[in-house]
Amino acid sequence: EDQVTQSPEALRLQEGESSSLNCSYTVSGLRGLFWYRQDPGKGPEFLFTLYSAGEEKEKERLKATLTKKESFLHITAPKPEDSATYLCAVQATTSGTYKYIFGTGTRLKVLA
Amino acid sequence: NAGVTQTPKFQVLKTGQSMTLQCAQDMNHNSMYWYRQDPGMGLRLIYYSASEGTTDKGEVPNGYNVSRLNKREFSLRLESAAPSQTSVYFCASTETGDPDEQYFGPGTRLTVT
Repeated sequence: EDQVTQSPEALRLQEGESSSLNCSYTVSGLRGLFWYRQDPGKGPEFLFTLYSAGEEKEKERLKATLTKKESFLHITAPKPEDSATYLCAVQATTSGTYKYIFGTGTRLKVLA
Repeated sequence: NAGVTQTPKFQVLKTGQSMTLQCAQDMNHNSMYWYRQDPGMGLRLIYYSASEGTTDKGEVPNGYNVSRLNKREFSLRLESAAPSQTSVYFCASTETGDPDEQYFGPGTRLTVT
């Protein structure tokens, strides 16, 4: 069964304390892996797309990496404004059709 | 560009009532999606439309119907609301869908009593 699992469920960091969020997946026919940021009461906001193992993408304090089984979202020297829920999703093909599968997210709180 | 817009933002229904959630995008995207988000469950796909004139079921389609009115608009209808449909509903769009990042609307918070 296609599945996406994110860990930890919640993470509290001090401002400046770097850490990583994990997204592990078991899908057939991976087409792409996506990271989104979701603020309370809002829709998810796109961050990154990764297509193949070994690929990396960076944006400000965020860096996403991909292996054959998992992806990491590294947060370097986070600030309070980085507090949000981070969602991972994969796009896979099944029987000629594609589908998106989302993880349940990691709630990140960065303390000043 | 407004991106993806959804109406209404909030809605309370009684069991058995019907309603339509509206979604529109101004990015000239081909594919559109309806999701529901429940605590601890992640986003689950209800229906999607790969292109104008086509719609397909997602993971949790029971109790819902959709209409791709034109390239811009994709509506979700609850014919007879049930408490299990209490959720936050998000509409999303992608340029092509293969593979492609999704752009989400602000959501509709629906409560069914």
